[in-house]
Amino acid sequence: DIQMTQSPSSLSASVGDRVTITCRTSQSISDYFNWYQQKPGTAPKLLIYAASSLQSGVPSRFSGSGSGTDFTLTISGLQPEDFASYYCHQSYSAPYSFGQGTKLEIK
Amino acid sequence: EVQLVESGGGLVQPGGSLRLSCAASGFTFSSYTMNWVRQAPGKGLEWVSSISSGSQTIYYADSVKGRFTISRDNTKNSLYLQMNSLRDEDTAVYYCARRGFSGCLDPWGQGTLVTVGS
Repeated sequence: DIQMTQSPSSLSASVGDRVTITCRTSQSISDYFNWYQQKPGTAPKLLIYAASSLQSGVPSRFSGSGSGTDFTLTISGLQPEDFASYYCHQSYSAPYSFGQGTKLEIK
Repeated sequence: EVQLVESGGGLVQPGGSLRLSCAASGFTFSSYTMNWVRQAPGKGLEWVSSISSGSQTIYYADSVKGRFTISRDNTKNSLYLQMNSLRDEDTAVYYCARRGFSGCLDPWGQGTLVTVGS
């Protein structure tokens, strides 16, 4: 099974900041890697698929990078609506594991 | 509009059973692999199970293997999760989600809450 290590588990930042969340997988998964945003009481929403492709309708301040075992989600110029939880996800092989999540809070 | 709507959640005693349903609309359901993902209260996301478009390939998380059964009816555009021998740790919101390009999950349903307890 592929293990996911997402960091940090929580992050405090201000509106306008640039933040980075990282995820490492226990084995190479090419670009079968995705990022989701989740706000309290709602279902997760796809942000980035195939490691770096921006889902339709997602603001361009979100970007993803990486391949193999190391991946990054960057939010450039935080907006008030971006304060939420973020999860990474490997879709390379079952069981299709998620990272532990990162809670992004307002400083 | 592409939409997934789950139903069937509720309160069940430990050792009991429950069947979840997910109704799909707005896309060709029979062409897509479908998934169940759950989230325990205050916790992160846990992938539960997936089923290929024609039901040929099925996978389960170790935590539910032997107790849960995923199935689908392409004539009814519906996905199911039969949950038996339920445990306290199965308490969670259960989401269905469509597998898309490169294996991403999109969209997701709104979720249905399963509570195991007496």
